[in-house]
Amino acid sequence: NAGVTQTPKFRVLKTGQSMTLLCAQDMNHEYMYWYRQDPGMGLRLIHYSVGEGTTAKGEVPDGYNVSRLKKQNFLLGLESAAPSQTSVYFCASSYSRGGGSSRNEQFFGPGTRLTVL
Amino acid sequence: AQTVTQSQPEMSVQEAETVTLSCTYDTSENNYYLFWYKQPPSRQMILVIRQEAYKQQNATENRFSVNFQKAAKSFSLKISDSQLGDTAMYFCAFMKRGYGQNFVFGPGTRLSVLP
Repeated sequence: NAGVTQTPKFRVLKTGQSMTLLCAQDMNHEYMYWYRQDPGMGLRLIHYSVGEGTTAKGEVPDGYNVSRLKKQNFLLGLESAAPSQTSVYFCASSYSRGGGSSRNEQFFGPGTRLTVL
Repeated sequence: AQTVTQSQPEMSVQEAETVTLSCTYDTSENNYYLFWYKQPPSRQMILVIRQEAYKQQNATENRFSVNFQKAAKSFSLKISDSQLGDTAMYFCAFMKRGYGQNFVFGPGTRLSVLP
């Protein structure tokens, strides 16, 4: 049981380049999330998905797109990278939307450090 | 919108001693969950402890316990018998019940356990 995995772990881009971050989970979770972590700001939600084929915007969605074609995968795309997108990106998943079950915590991947020059 | 505040950017504690990390939050909701996550230098986010707002009893997990004051909107984490492996960033988080997408994190407290 690998939990939540992220690919790649590190990446350096030039301004204007594009890339896709892959998140995979093997826990059969319905909910998946993409966060970015910046110093002094905790984690901020970029996009999330409540199930296969669905996505929605979070707190800081601009400049990013996502897709969830398969339940176990959640992709984060940067179409034209900017230096402001230099950050550590975390993917997370949860069993449910937190309606009362104890299984409402979010499980995190190891993160991807992205630098945009 | 909910906000989470951690007023201590950095703290240190001697090994084997006890330390308390502060967290306050602002919400008009009545049903919610609170969490403490640990992020060691490996960068992995690890759940330390959770608290359901409808439970008056404070949650405990081995050396970790919380002091949940619902009226004061305070959720502090106490680490007893601190160990070197407790050195990490600690994030307090809030989640409105039924809205897993509204997981709000505080800015974090960097804890250093000194030998």
